[in-house]
Amino acid sequence: DAGITQSPRHKVTETGTPVTLRCHQTENHRYMYWYRQDPGHGLRLIHYSYGVKDTDKGEVSDGYSVSRSKTEDFLLTLESATSSQTSVYFCAISDPGLIAGEQYFGPGTRLTVT
Amino acid sequence: QKEVEQDPGPLSVPEGAIVSLNCTYSNSAFQYFMWYRQYSRKGPELLMYTYSSGNKEDGRFTAQVDKSSKYISLFIRDSQPSDSATYLCAMSGGSNYKLTFGKGTLLTVNP
Repeated sequence: DAGITQSPRHKVTETGTPVTLRCHQTENHRYMYWYRQDPGHGLRLIHYSYGVKDTDKGEVSDGYSVSRSKTEDFLLTLESATSSQTSVYFCAISDPGLIAGEQYFGPGTRLTVT
Repeated sequence: QKEVEQDPGPLSVPEGAIVSLNCTYSNSAFQYFMWYRQYSRKGPELLMYTYSSGNKEDGRFTAQVDKSSKYISLFIRDSQPSDSATYLCAMSGGSNYKLTFGKGTLLTVNP
């Protein structure tokens, strides 16, 4: 357990509404990531952060924005949710002290957009 | 062609069988190769990692990397029902700590 929590764990929302998912870590890890996992697509990187206020896009960033104002929190926002954003969202962390590729994942948030 | 291709399965084997899981990749810059295991409704967890080519063994698990063929494998000996999970291969070039994942193979080990 790398001290990662995600909230909410489950959410149902309507198309067009804004949604914010929170990832919180307690161990001062430098890198944080947001992934989505869908059947037939595996895990795909949405956005990642390599420090406070330093973020970059992943392979499926359209429709998503992120913010990291504190080391411990990485927020993922869907500005106007669409049904295609129904997915399971995972947050992950890593550190320069770990091997490249060693990431620890949170428990996931199951989001349904109706 | 996707950067990482993984046999989708699903794979169903009897308890005690030897399981072989495989991925191919196209990006020559990948240097670190990982296998993650994901139980149902849980986050992935790192199972094995290998740097560059070669083999690595950990108990019943062996990871192999053949960079010349751009092919990686995970072998599970004496498979157990508790090994039932989705196995994801993942790769990294190492410089920016980003991972590229395969789609995952769902394994079921039947008692």
